[in-house]
Amino acid sequence: GENVEQHPSTLSVQEGDSAVIKCTYSDSASNYFPWYKQELGKGPQLIIDIRSNVGEKKDQRIAVTLNKTAKHFSLHITETQPEDSAVYFCAAHYSGGYQKVTFGTGTKLQVIP
Amino acid sequence: EPEVTQTPSHQVTQMGQEVILRCVPISNHLYFYWYRQILGQKVEFLVSFYNNEISEKSEIFDDQFSVERPDGSNFTLKIRSTKLEDSAMYFCASSVERGAQPQHFGDGTRLSIL
Repeated sequence: GENVEQHPSTLSVQEGDSAVIKCTYSDSASNYFPWYKQELGKGPQLIIDIRSNVGEKKDQRIAVTLNKTAKHFSLHITETQPEDSAVYFCAAHYSGGYQKVTFGTGTKLQVIP
Repeated sequence: EPEVTQTPSHQVTQMGQEVILRCVPISNHLYFYWYRQILGQKVEFLVSFYNNEISEKSEIFDDQFSVERPDGSNFTLKIRSTKLEDSAMYFCASSVERGAQPQHFGDGTRLSIL
């Protein structure tokens, strides 16, 4: 089955700096890669996603890149703000037959004011 | 914006008892899911449900677990005889379609087994 590795497990950045979270996946059939933000006491909230036919996607301060050959994908947050502090999960999904989303192990991001 | 709602937010149950966790998915969504998250760990898939039947389940989803859509709006997860290791956050999710579509999560039910 699919296995998603995520690094780093914790990340502290100064407000205004950029944050980068990296993930790798094992199943080359995976073709949909969502990123979720989880705040304390809340469920995962989708913040951005990318499909395998696209190499990069951007939404304001958030961008995601995908390297299918290397099976790597990354989340980039620019101009970080204290409200970006949360746990971020990458995930991989094979849309062709399976329903389950396989999550990474999570990155706790702390933005220091 | 429509959202997935889960009740209760916290459930405390004695070991060996049955527990039912409830979810109301987003109204036009057709696919429903349960995930669990043990404290400090990643979110793990349990089961997906479509057209009144299970479409996929993980090895965690053993005979102690069952799911049901008893009416047009609710989606439930039942644990028949709870064990200490069932203590976790349980998240319900739903999506419009299968495939490369975002799954929308509720805020979860914290299940504590004593």
